[in-house]
Amino acid sequence: AQSVTQLGSHVSVSEGALVLLRCNYSSSVPPYLFWYVQYPNQGLQLLLKYTTGATLVKGINGFEAEFKKSETSFHLTKPSAHMSDAAEYFCAVSASDSSYKLIFGSGTRLLVRP
Amino acid sequence: AAGVIQSPRHLIKEKRETATLKCYPIPRHDTVYWYQQGPGQDPQFLISFYEKMQSDKGSIPDRFSAQQFSDYHSELNMSSLELGDSALYFCASSLGGGSINEQFFGPGTRLTVL
Repeated sequence: AQSVTQLGSHVSVSEGALVLLRCNYSSSVPPYLFWYVQYPNQGLQLLLKYTTGATLVKGINGFEAEFKKSETSFHLTKPSAHMSDAAEYFCAVSASDSSYKLIFGSGTRLLVRP
Repeated sequence: AAGVIQSPRHLIKEKRETATLKCYPIPRHDTVYWYQQGPGQDPQFLISFYEKMQSDKGSIPDRFSAQQFSDYHSELNMSSLELGDSALYFCASSLGGGSINEQFFGPGTRLTVL
C-alpha cells in the first residue's frame, strides 16, 4: 500500500523567494512519484514525475524535485517564485501493485506575496 | 493536441436523483481512471478500467457504477444521490494499464446535489 503526507496545508512566500513544498511517501514497493498543480476551478496538471533513473527531476515552469529514498521524500522546489505560481499543489504516489492509480496527498496551497 | 473530454462540465441534481458522467479519453488511450475531489479535499480514486475491463476499485459507493465502452469512453453512473456526493469528478486517461505512463486529467465535472 502507498500513502503520501504533505507537510503544511498553506505555504506563503514572497515573489522571487525560494519555493519549498514538502512531500513524504510510504510505499511497500518501489514508488512512482508525481507533483500536480491545480489552479482554481481547473483540472490537474502534471508538473513532474519520478519513475526510475535520475533522482533529480526537472519539470515545467522551473520546478524540480529530488527523490530521496533514505528520507522517503520528494520535495518540490523552485528557486524564484512568481505570482502565477499561486495554486494548489498535490504530491501523489503510484505503484505497480495497485493498477498505477494515484494516491494523493492532502495538498498545499501556495500563496505568493508581491 | 487532443485532451480528455468530460461532460457535462456542471451538473445540478436533487437528492435521490441519478446522474451520468461521461469521459472521452485521449485518442488511443486504453485506460481510464475516475477520481472524486470533495470541497477542499484531495482527489480520491474511485475506479479504473483497462481495455474495457475493470482494473481496480477504490472507495466507490455501491450506489455508483461505471463501465468502459468499446470506443474506450467511460461513464460513471450515480444513483440515489446524496448531499455528500457534491464534488468535482475527474477522469484521467493513459496508455497501457500495465505501465506507469502519465495520466492526463480532464477538466472535471462539478456535481452539485441539492
